[in-house]
Amino acid sequence: DGGITQSPKYLFRKEGQNVTLSCEQNLNHDAMYWYRQDPGQGLRLIYYSQIVNDFQKGDIAEGYSVSREKKESFPLTVTSAQKNPTAFYLCASIGTQNEKLFFGSGTQLSVL
Amino acid sequence: QKEVEQNSGPLSVPEGAIASLNCTYSDRVSQSFFWYRQYSGKSPELIMSIYSNGDKEDGRFTAQLNKASQYVSLLIRDSQPSDSATYLCAVRKAGSYQLTFGKGTKLSVIP
Repeated sequence: DGGITQSPKYLFRKEGQNVTLSCEQNLNHDAMYWYRQDPGQGLRLIYYSQIVNDFQKGDIAEGYSVSREKKESFPLTVTSAQKNPTAFYLCASIGTQNEKLFFGSGTQLSVL
Repeated sequence: QKEVEQNSGPLSVPEGAIASLNCTYSDRVSQSFFWYRQYSGKSPELIMSIYSNGDKEDGRFTAQLNKASQYVSLLIRDSQPSDSATYLCAVRKAGSYQLTFGKGTKLSVIP
């Protein structure tokens, strides 16, 4: 079954801690994205990558970091510099032949 | 002016009625337009895409695009309680893989 897998579904962060959210896709898609969603808000772009070993900052990249060492994987690290990390995080991908963006099931991050 | 604007709602319609959801965008070079449905606590699900002026129908859903007015809408006919969700409008510029999302309109279909 092709798709985008995000893990974990729920994640708790202690103050001063870095945490990493996983995103894996087996759709052979080139471009991958990380969005943040706060309650009652739309999706805001954190980072995106259009090719392996290359990524670009989105609108709210401060306090986050990413890597794209493999086409299938695009992990997001929420660093201690992100002072308000509680949100729903969504990973998405798109192929060059298909304009449609598909999402993983999301990770809810909360602060302890 | 925000790039993609939607009325946040909530929009309440009775079961069986037509629900009309609206979206305006500011960038005239926008090329592709999408409607996503998002249930509470779940990820967005693509329900319609439209690329040229006019109407596009898929089952109970009709997307309407007017590039001159920079306006895209979604009509849901014979609304069902299961249609109750937040509907997100998304817009892509020509030559870009990035989508810009509106904040979404919350729809409530009353049995």
